[in-house]
Amino acid sequence: DSGVTQTPKHLITATGQRVTLRCSPRSGDLSVYWYQQSLDQGLQFLIQYYNGEERAKGNILERFSAQQFPDLHSELNLSSLELGDSALYFCASSAGQGRNHEQYFGPGTRLTVT
Amino acid sequence: QKEVEQDPGPLSVPEGAIVSLNCTYSNSAFQYFMWYRQYSRKGPELLMYTYSSGNKEDGRFTAQVDKSSKYISLFIRDSQPSDSATYLCAMTVGSSNTGKLIFGQGTTLQVKP
Repeated sequence: DSGVTQTPKHLITATGQRVTLRCSPRSGDLSVYWYQQSLDQGLQFLIQYYNGEERAKGNILERFSAQQFPDLHSELNLSSLELGDSALYFCASSAGQGRNHEQYFGPGTRLTVT
Repeated sequence: QKEVEQDPGPLSVPEGAIVSLNCTYSNSAFQYFMWYRQYSRKGPELLMYTYSSGNKEDGRFTAQVDKSSKYISLFIRDSQPSDSATYLCAMTVGSSNTGKLIFGQGTTLQVKP
């Protein structure tokens, strides 16, 4: 158990809908990262937050947004969902402050868009 | 061309064999090199990381980085059926502010009893 929690574990929704994925980092970690894993693209970095502020962005679609709250949990919002958004979404956390390479992943949320 | 290339396998070995997993990369700015293990439908688990070039050993696992060749390896000694999983290499530039990891596609390993 990495100490990173994610909810829900599974999500099935229809095209055009909006969903919110939630992540709680390890105790003491200030950085939160979101990744998408699909069969064709592999594990892809989406976005990073550090202590409530956005720090880095990857190839995150404009339909997707995230935020990190004062209690350090993070949410990833996916809107106008398309079939191609079906994937595993992982949250990871790190202590930050020069230890950003040491990331610990949660169990993931499996999103199925029908 | 992808920044990080990894042979997807699958790789099948008998129990007790030495396993060699490899990745190549193109970005010479990468400084931190990680290996993750991912069991089916689970989150990636950090096995070990190496900073810059050199070797690092942790139990049955040894990570090697050759920055001159842009090539990294993970060796697993005395492989066990429980090592059967997908192994992902990951790399990052190592900024103090950001930690974008670039992953390889992963190599699927099966260790047969």
